[in-house]
Amino acid sequence: DVKVTQSSRYLVKRTGEKVFLECVQDMDHENMFWYRQDPGLGLRLIYFSYDVKMKEKGDIPEGYSVSREKKERFSLILESASTNQTSMYLCASLRPVANTGELFFGEGSRLTVL
Amino acid sequence: AQSVTQLGSHVSVSEGALVLLRCNYSSSVPPYLFWYVQYPNQGLQLLLKYTSAATLVKGINGFEAEFKKSETSFHLTKPSAHMSDAAEYFCAVKGGNYQLIWGAGTKLIIKP
Repeated sequence: DVKVTQSSRYLVKRTGEKVFLECVQDMDHENMFWYRQDPGLGLRLIYFSYDVKMKEKGDIPEGYSVSREKKERFSLILESASTNQTSMYLCASLRPVANTGELFFGEGSRLTVL
Repeated sequence: AQSVTQLGSHVSVSEGALVLLRCNYSSSVPPYLFWYVQYPNQGLQLLLKYTSAATLVKGINGFEAEFKKSETSFHLTKPSAHMSDAAEYFCAVKGGNYQLIWGAGTKLIIKP
Protein backbone atom coordinates (compact mmCIF):
# COMPACT_ATOMS: atom_id res chain seq x y z
CA ASP A 1 0.00 0.00 0.00
CA VAL A 2 1.07 3.55 -0.71
CA LYS A 3 2.57 5.40 2.22
CA VAL A 4 3.71 8.94 2.89
CA THR A 5 5.09 9.41 6.37
CA GLN A 6 5.60 12.70 8.11
CA SER A 7 7.90 12.31 11.04
CA SER A 8 6.20 14.66 13.49
CA ARG A 9 2.44 14.97 13.94
CA TYR A 10 2.63 17.79 16.47
CA LEU A 11 5.42 20.27 17.18
CA VAL A 12 5.70 23.28 19.45
CA LYS A 13 8.59 25.64 18.76
CA ARG A 14 9.67 29.08 19.87
CA THR A 15 10.04 32.12 17.68
CA GLY A 16 13.43 32.13 15.98
CA GLU A 17 14.03 28.40 16.24
CA LYS A 18 15.01 26.36 13.20
CA VAL A 19 12.41 23.75 12.36
CA PHE A 20 12.76 20.63 10.23
CA LEU A 21 9.74 18.78 8.90
CA GLU A 22 10.55 15.43 7.38
CA CYS A 23 8.57 13.50 4.80
CA VAL A 24 9.30 10.05 3.40
CA GLN A 25 7.47 8.19 0.65
CA ASP A 26 7.85 4.54 -0.24
CA MET A 27 6.52 4.65 -3.80
CA ASP A 28 9.58 5.76 -5.78
CA HIS A 29 7.69 8.87 -6.93
CA GLU A 30 9.65 11.65 -8.57
CA ASN A 31 7.34 14.54 -7.66
CA MET A 32 6.85 15.63 -4.07
CA PHE A 33 5.09 18.63 -2.57
CA TRP A 34 4.86 20.64 0.62
CA TYR A 35 1.58 22.41 1.34
CA ARG A 36 0.39 24.63 4.10
CA GLN A 37 -3.24 24.23 5.22
CA ASP A 38 -5.06 27.02 7.04
CA PRO A 39 -8.82 27.24 7.75
CA GLY A 40 -10.70 28.94 4.93
CA LEU A 41 -7.64 29.11 2.69
CA GLY A 42 -7.47 25.54 1.41
CA LEU A 43 -4.03 24.19 0.56
CA ARG A 44 -1.28 26.53 -0.51
CA LEU A 45 1.82 25.21 -2.20
CA ILE A 46 5.10 26.10 -0.51
CA TYR A 47 7.62 24.16 -2.61
CA PHE A 48 7.68 21.15 -4.85
CA SER A 49 10.41 18.90 -6.16
CA TYR A 50 10.38 16.95 -9.40
CA ASP A 51 13.62 15.07 -8.87
CA VAL A 52 16.50 14.64 -6.44
CA LYS A 53 18.17 17.98 -5.72
CA MET A 54 15.59 19.76 -7.89
CA LYS A 55 13.08 22.16 -6.39
CA GLU A 56 10.67 24.84 -7.46
CA LYS A 57 9.01 27.59 -5.47
CA GLY A 58 5.30 27.37 -5.01
CA ASP A 59 2.89 30.15 -4.15
CA ILE A 60 4.17 30.96 -0.65
CA PRO A 61 7.88 30.09 -0.38
CA GLU A 62 8.92 33.04 1.79
CA GLY A 63 10.38 31.93 5.10
CA TYR A 64 10.79 28.33 3.96
CA SER A 65 13.40 26.21 2.24
CA VAL A 66 13.48 22.55 1.20
CA SER A 67 15.93 19.73 0.75
CA ARG A 68 15.70 16.66 -1.47
CA GLU A 69 18.91 14.66 -1.16
CA LYS A 70 17.26 11.29 -1.76
CA LYS A 71 14.31 10.42 -3.91
CA GLU A 72 12.19 9.17 -1.04
CA ARG A 73 12.76 12.08 1.33
CA PHE A 74 11.61 15.69 1.05
CA SER A 75 12.29 18.02 3.96
CA LEU A 76 10.78 21.41 4.74
CA ILE A 77 12.92 23.83 6.72
CA LEU A 78 11.86 26.93 8.59
CA GLU A 79 15.13 28.81 9.09
CA SER A 80 13.73 31.08 11.81
CA ALA A 81 10.22 30.19 12.86
CA SER A 82 7.69 32.96 13.33
CA THR A 83 4.24 32.94 14.89
CA ASN A 84 2.59 33.42 11.48
CA GLN A 85 4.00 30.05 10.46
CA THR A 86 1.76 28.30 12.96
CA SER A 87 -0.18 25.98 10.70
CA MET A 88 -0.80 22.45 9.44
CA TYR A 89 1.85 21.28 6.98
CA LEU A 90 1.05 18.54 4.50
CA CYS A 91 3.50 16.57 2.41
CA ALA A 92 2.40 14.76 -0.73
CA SER A 93 3.92 12.67 -3.47
CA LEU A 94 2.52 12.23 -6.95
CA ARG A 95 1.78 9.08 -8.88
CA PRO A 96 1.64 10.22 -12.50
CA VAL A 97 -1.35 8.83 -14.38
CA ALA A 98 -1.68 9.98 -18.01
CA ASN A 99 -1.95 13.78 -17.86
CA THR A 100 -3.25 14.04 -14.34
CA GLY A 101 -1.84 11.97 -11.55
CA GLU A 102 -2.90 11.22 -8.03
CA LEU A 103 -1.51 12.87 -4.93
CA PHE A 104 -0.82 10.79 -1.84
CA PHE A 105 -0.68 12.73 1.38
CA GLY A 106 0.91 12.25 4.74
CA GLU A 107 -1.16 12.75 7.87
CA GLY A 108 0.18 16.23 8.40
CA SER A 109 2.41 18.03 10.87
CA ARG A 110 0.71 20.58 13.07
CA LEU A 111 3.23 23.25 14.03
CA THR A 112 2.68 25.81 16.77
CA VAL A 113 5.17 28.65 17.07
CA LEU A 114 5.09 30.50 20.38
CA ALA B 1 -5.53 31.99 -14.49
CA GLN B 2 -7.25 28.94 -13.12
CA SER B 3 -9.24 29.06 -9.91
CA VAL B 4 -11.69 27.04 -7.85
CA THR B 5 -14.58 28.28 -5.74
CA GLN B 6 -16.33 26.09 -3.23
CA LEU B 7 -19.66 27.48 -2.06
CA GLY B 8 -20.16 27.10 1.66
CA SER B 9 -17.37 26.58 4.17
CA HIS B 10 -19.72 24.33 6.17
CA VAL B 11 -22.59 22.15 4.98
CA SER B 12 -24.85 20.33 7.42
CA VAL B 13 -27.14 17.46 6.41
CA SER B 14 -29.09 14.83 8.28
CA GLU B 15 -28.04 11.22 8.15
CA GLY B 16 -29.72 9.60 5.17
CA ALA B 17 -30.23 12.89 3.33
CA LEU B 18 -28.73 13.95 0.02
CA VAL B 19 -25.24 15.43 0.14
CA LEU B 20 -24.45 18.23 -2.32
CA LEU B 21 -21.13 20.04 -2.19
CA ARG B 22 -20.67 22.78 -4.77
CA CYS B 23 -17.57 23.53 -6.79
CA ASN B 24 -17.14 26.01 -9.62
CA TYR B 25 -13.95 26.40 -11.57
CA SER B 26 -12.33 28.83 -13.93
CA SER B 27 -10.01 27.53 -16.60
CA SER B 28 -8.92 28.71 -20.03
CA VAL B 29 -8.21 25.16 -21.13
CA PRO B 30 -10.25 21.96 -20.80
CA PRO B 31 -9.91 21.21 -17.12
CA TYR B 32 -8.92 18.18 -15.15
CA LEU B 33 -10.91 18.32 -11.91
CA PHE B 34 -10.58 16.53 -8.60
CA TRP B 35 -12.33 16.02 -5.31
CA TYR B 36 -10.23 15.08 -2.29
CA VAL B 37 -11.49 14.22 1.19
CA GLN B 38 -9.79 14.80 4.54
CA TYR B 39 -11.11 12.81 7.48
CA PRO B 40 -10.37 14.18 10.96
CA ASN B 41 -6.68 14.06 11.86
CA GLN B 42 -5.73 12.52 8.54
CA GLY B 43 -4.17 13.60 5.27
CA LEU B 44 -6.17 14.06 2.10
CA GLN B 45 -7.13 11.21 -0.19
CA LEU B 46 -8.52 11.19 -3.70
CA LEU B 47 -12.28 10.78 -3.89
CA LEU B 48 -12.69 11.05 -7.68
CA LYS B 49 -11.40 12.88 -10.73
CA TYR B 50 -12.66 14.13 -14.10
CA THR B 51 -10.35 13.63 -17.04
CA SER B 52 -12.79 14.23 -19.92
CA ALA B 53 -13.64 10.57 -20.42
CA ALA B 54 -17.16 10.86 -18.98
CA THR B 55 -19.06 13.78 -17.52
CA LEU B 56 -20.46 11.75 -14.63
CA VAL B 57 -17.65 10.44 -12.48
CA LYS B 58 -18.08 7.86 -9.75
CA GLY B 59 -15.75 7.78 -6.79
CA ILE B 60 -15.22 5.93 -3.58
CA ASN B 61 -17.74 5.58 -0.76
CA GLY B 62 -20.76 6.20 -3.01
CA PHE B 63 -19.82 9.72 -4.08
CA GLU B 64 -20.13 11.00 -7.62
CA ALA B 65 -19.63 14.29 -9.41
CA GLU B 66 -20.92 15.68 -12.68
CA PHE B 67 -18.87 17.93 -14.95
CA LYS B 68 -21.01 20.66 -16.51
CA LYS B 69 -19.04 22.77 -18.92
CA SER B 70 -21.84 25.28 -19.51
CA GLU B 71 -22.04 25.98 -15.78
CA THR B 72 -18.28 25.57 -15.12
CA SER B 73 -19.26 23.32 -12.25
CA PHE B 74 -18.15 20.02 -10.76
CA HIS B 75 -20.52 19.45 -7.84
CA LEU B 76 -20.10 16.45 -5.55
CA THR B 77 -23.13 14.40 -4.53
CA LYS B 78 -24.08 11.35 -2.51
CA PRO B 79 -27.66 10.10 -2.35
CA SER B 80 -27.68 9.19 1.34
CA ALA B 81 -25.32 10.64 3.94
CA HIS B 82 -23.68 8.46 6.53
CA MET B 83 -22.09 9.54 9.78
CA SER B 84 -18.73 8.36 8.46
CA ASP B 85 -18.93 10.96 5.66
CA ALA B 86 -18.20 13.76 8.13
CA ALA B 87 -14.99 15.26 6.80
CA GLU B 88 -13.61 18.22 4.88
CA TYR B 89 -13.88 18.07 1.12
CA PHE B 90 -11.62 19.90 -1.31
CA CYS B 91 -12.21 20.58 -4.98
CA ALA B 92 -9.17 21.20 -7.19
CA VAL B 93 -8.27 21.89 -10.81
CA LYS B 94 -5.04 20.81 -12.42
CA GLY B 95 -2.54 23.53 -13.16
CA GLY B 96 0.88 23.20 -14.73
CA ASN B 97 3.56 20.67 -13.76
CA TYR B 98 1.06 18.38 -12.02
CA GLN B 99 0.24 21.15 -9.58
CA LEU B 100 -3.31 21.49 -8.30
CA ILE B 101 -5.17 24.72 -7.62
CA TRP B 102 -7.33 24.14 -4.55
CA GLY B 103 -10.64 25.41 -3.33
CA ALA B 104 -10.95 26.60 0.27
CA GLY B 105 -12.65 23.40 1.37
CA THR B 106 -16.12 22.53 2.68
CA LYS B 107 -16.67 20.85 6.03
CA LEU B 108 -19.50 18.35 5.86
CA ILE B 109 -21.40 17.91 9.12
CA ILE B 110 -23.77 14.98 9.49
CA LYS B 111 -26.63 15.32 11.97
CA PRO B 112 -27.92 12.11 13.55
